[in-house]
Amino acid sequence: GAGVSQSPSNKVTEKGKDVELRCDPISGHTALYWYRQSLGQGLEFLIYFQGNSAPDKSGLPSDRFSAERTGGSVSTLTIQRTQQEDSAVYLCASSSRTGDQPQHFGDGTRLSIL
Amino acid sequence: AQTVTQSQPEMSVQEAETVTLSCTYDTSESDYYLFWYKQPPSRQMILVIRQEAYKQQNATENRFSVNFQKAAKSFSLKISDSQLGDAAMYFCAYRSGGGYGNKLVFGAGTILRVKS
Repeated sequence: GAGVSQSPSNKVTEKGKDVELRCDPISGHTALYWYRQSLGQGLEFLIYFQGNSAPDKSGLPSDRFSAERTGGSVSTLTIQRTQQEDSAVYLCASSSRTGDQPQHFGDGTRLSIL
Repeated sequence: AQTVTQSQPEMSVQEAETVTLSCTYDTSESDYYLFWYKQPPSRQMILVIRQEAYKQQNATENRFSVNFQKAAKSFSLKISDSQLGDAAMYFCAYRSGGGYGNKLVFGAGTILRVKS
């Protein structure tokens, strides 16, 4: 597609349930990032994938969070046993290469935990 | 670790006038990039302008320009001839240069309101 695609756009779930968020990066982009934006706040880095290299997971807030990227393209962010503090907008970004190339963002998934 | 500070939670500007959004950052690195992103209610982050730290010349994109003061670690955004469509949340962001896996470090954002 022309841009980064994320699904679902909105997700409402009960506390304790598992959720999966999907990101489809721009075709040909080798780098993929996940960020979290809590209400009224800036974005915080969660995880980064680059090609076939081991991902940088340094931003994941707890072991309930995990992500994978299959075939170097689509990525899934999974949150297990969701808590109310997980409520946020989850944004995905991709770039063609690092260095001076900017990251292009999707529209995000708004996750609400009841 | 690098930090980015936006000290103005909210700003207002009259249509057609000029407004400046402030951003300061803290780093010990010499090679880095700075960005301003715009986030309208649609949530999508839109790149407004970027600056390479090694360039002394301030970046300009149409009505948007920056005042990059490397020694002071300041990176302000000036919007000239403000338009209603400029109303959004603006984020300043930092990224280390070189290597791979360089995540963006964001400020808390500034809400810009444009009055007609």
